[in-house]
Amino acid sequence: GAVVSQHPSRVICKSGTSVKIECRSLDFQATTMFWYRQFPKQSLMLMATSNEGSKATYEQGVEKDKFLINHASLTLSTLTVTSAHPEDSSFYICSATDRSSNQPQHFGDGTRLSIL
Amino acid sequence: AQKVTQAQTEISVVEKEDVTLDCVYETRDTTYYLFWYKQPPSGELVFLIRRNSFDEQNEISGRYSWNFQKSTSSFNFTITASQVVDSAVYFCALSERGYSTLTFGKGTMLLVSP
Repeated sequence: GAVVSQHPSRVICKSGTSVKIECRSLDFQATTMFWYRQFPKQSLMLMATSNEGSKATYEQGVEKDKFLINHASLTLSTLTVTSAHPEDSSFYICSATDRSSNQPQHFGDGTRLSIL
Repeated sequence: AQKVTQAQTEISVVEKEDVTLDCVYETRDTTYYLFWYKQPPSGELVFLIRRNSFDEQNEISGRYSWNFQKSTSSFNFTITASQVVDSAVYFCALSERGYSTLTFGKGTMLLVSP
C-alpha cells in the first residue's frame, strides 16, 4: 500500500531553534500534502494544506511565518517551525494524497517535538 | 460546516467483549466520505476504512464491522471479541471528497484489559 515517511520521529531542542520536519511519499505522487498538529489527548487539527508547486493554504489561527511549509516536489513536503518555543511542543503529523486517483490520505508516523 | 462527534471519550472493556464506538456526523454535502483511523500509543495513524455517502452497505473485516446509517448520520464501529492489541485511540473523520481535507472527531480511547 501507499507509504508516507516522516522524519525525524522525535526532536528535542532548545528554545529559539528552528526545526525542519520532512514528509515523503515513497511509492506514489503526492499532489497534496496536509500538516496536522496534535496536543496530548486531543484530536488532530489541520494546520495547512499544500499542493505541489504552489503556496500552502493555512488554517485560521496558524501563523504562516512561524510554520513554513514547502512542497517543491511531488514526493516531498517540509514543515519548518521557526524560532521554536515551548508552546510549539506537540505531535506533528503529515499526510499525503494523490487527487488524480482519488486516494484517501495516507499518514506519516508523526514527529514528536519537544522544545526545552 | 462539517462536524464529527464522538461522544464516548473513553471506553474500558475486558478482553473478548464486543465494543461499539459511536460516530455522528454533520454535513451539508450530498457527497461525502467517512473514515475510521486507529492511533496506537506509538502515535501513528492507521487507516481502517473509507466509505462514501452512496454506499450504505455495512462492512465486515475480520473482527471489525461498520454500520453506516444515513438516516441518523451515524457511522459506528464495532470490534468483536476485543483483544489487548485493540487498545488505542480511534478517530472517526469526514471529508467532502475521498482525498480532501479531513474533519476529525475528538477520538475515543479504547482500553482493553486482559
